[in-house]
Amino acid sequence: SQQGEEDPQALSIQEGENATMNCSYKTSINNLQWYRQNSGRGLVHLILIRSNEREKHSGRLRVTLDTSKKSSSLLITASRAADTASYFCATVGSSNTGKLIFGQGTTLQVKP
Amino acid sequence: NAGVTQTPKFRVLKTGQSMTLLCAQDMNHEYMYWYRQDPGMGLRLIHYSVGEGTTAKGEVPDGYNVSRLKKQNFLLGLESAAPSQTSVYFCASGRGESPLHFGNGTRLTVT
Repeated sequence: SQQGEEDPQALSIQEGENATMNCSYKTSINNLQWYRQNSGRGLVHLILIRSNEREKHSGRLRVTLDTSKKSSSLLITASRAADTASYFCATVGSSNTGKLIFGQGTTLQVKP
Repeated sequence: NAGVTQTPKFRVLKTGQSMTLLCAQDMNHEYMYWYRQDPGMGLRLIHYSVGEGTTAKGEVPDGYNVSRLKKQNFLLGLESAAPSQTSVYFCASGRGESPLHFGNGTRLTVT
């Protein structure tokens, strides 16, 4: 089964609002990564957070990691129509074999 | 610098036919991956490679084979295609725990 599970599966908000997506995983990790996928395209890396980090920022993105709860969240602030995409979390296991396992993703729609 | 290039972009196969999907990267990455993406299932890892000449099974390896004869190329083979293998296939490359770079996908339909 997949390592990461994301919640919600779909999210629809108005431009300017914040969007929060959550990711839960099952085993201990080395790091957790968030990716974005526009329709019909490959995935693009957004941000990486290591297991010893609790929070990370990149522009309008804020990622948190709670290893005790095996969960992470991605917050997009002041959303724009161009943020409409699918967002995936992915984990690298603590054994760091190079295996990167993805969650099922959250589809975000930002209405202008 | 083309990044990760996948060929072909689209393909239609009949059940039982074989084909090879090619992934090429020009970033000198050690790690390469093949994923499949199906509606509602996210990306599932088929096989991956941590270096030239090495391969390992992912979550859903059955029905697929791979080869990494050259560092820059990672081939995914379907020996006898089945309708269940209809999917979008993505290749990715990276350096271990660093972020992955993805190709734009191959859309495969098996009838």
